[in-house]
Amino acid sequence: AQSVTQPDIHITVSEGASLELRCNYSYGATPYLFWYVQSPGQGLQLLLKYFSGDTLVQGIKGFEAEFKRSQSSFNLRKPSVHWSDAAEYFCAASGTYKYIFGTGTRLKVLA
Amino acid sequence: GAVVSQHPSRVICKSGTSVKIECRSLDFQATTMFWYRQFPKQSLMLMATSNEGSKATYEQGVEKDKFLINHASLTLSTLTVTSAHPEDSSFYICSARSLLGAQNNEQFFGPGTRLTVL
Repeated sequence: AQSVTQPDIHITVSEGASLELRCNYSYGATPYLFWYVQSPGQGLQLLLKYFSGDTLVQGIKGFEAEFKRSQSSFNLRKPSVHWSDAAEYFCAASGTYKYIFGTGTRLKVLA
Repeated sequence: GAVVSQHPSRVICKSGTSVKIECRSLDFQATTMFWYRQFPKQSLMLMATSNEGSKATYEQGVEKDKFLINHASLTLSTLTVTSAHPEDSSFYICSARSLLGAQNNEQFFGPGTRLTVL
């Protein structure tokens, strides 16, 4: 069955520290991959997406993600976290027309 | 570009009443719109997929008579929660897929509607 796994439910980092949020997918073929961020009570904001080509994808707000086919992963990274990055992060995959979302990772940033 | 709006952003209603939520694609035509439900601290759950001019396709376990979806034009889809009860209280998010984004399956999300049923 198709699935997206975000192994970390909660992550806490200090402001200025680096960040990596994990995302693994299970699909018959390489899906389209997305990372979204959601602040409390808000909708989803697209951080970045991968369709094909360069496996290192640059997004907004200083985020990047690397697609690794061999590991079925699409991990999100940021070299230096800001307090405003505290939010819920969702990884999503799409092979047909539907999205499959991961369960989300809640990021807490310590001052 | 690719902006999706939802109205209202928040709604409070009494148990037994019906509530309509609108989802509009503001600057593109959306052949397909999706409705999601999100419980607190949980991920998005797809409720239904609607295609312009045809009946919506509901996910397993979603009551189609409870959650009426209409996609009458290429820019508007509505979700009506009929005879709402407190357990219907949730955050409802719509998304739209444009003709241009169709090949990459990209969806554009609305800001969500918080429904509270008293």
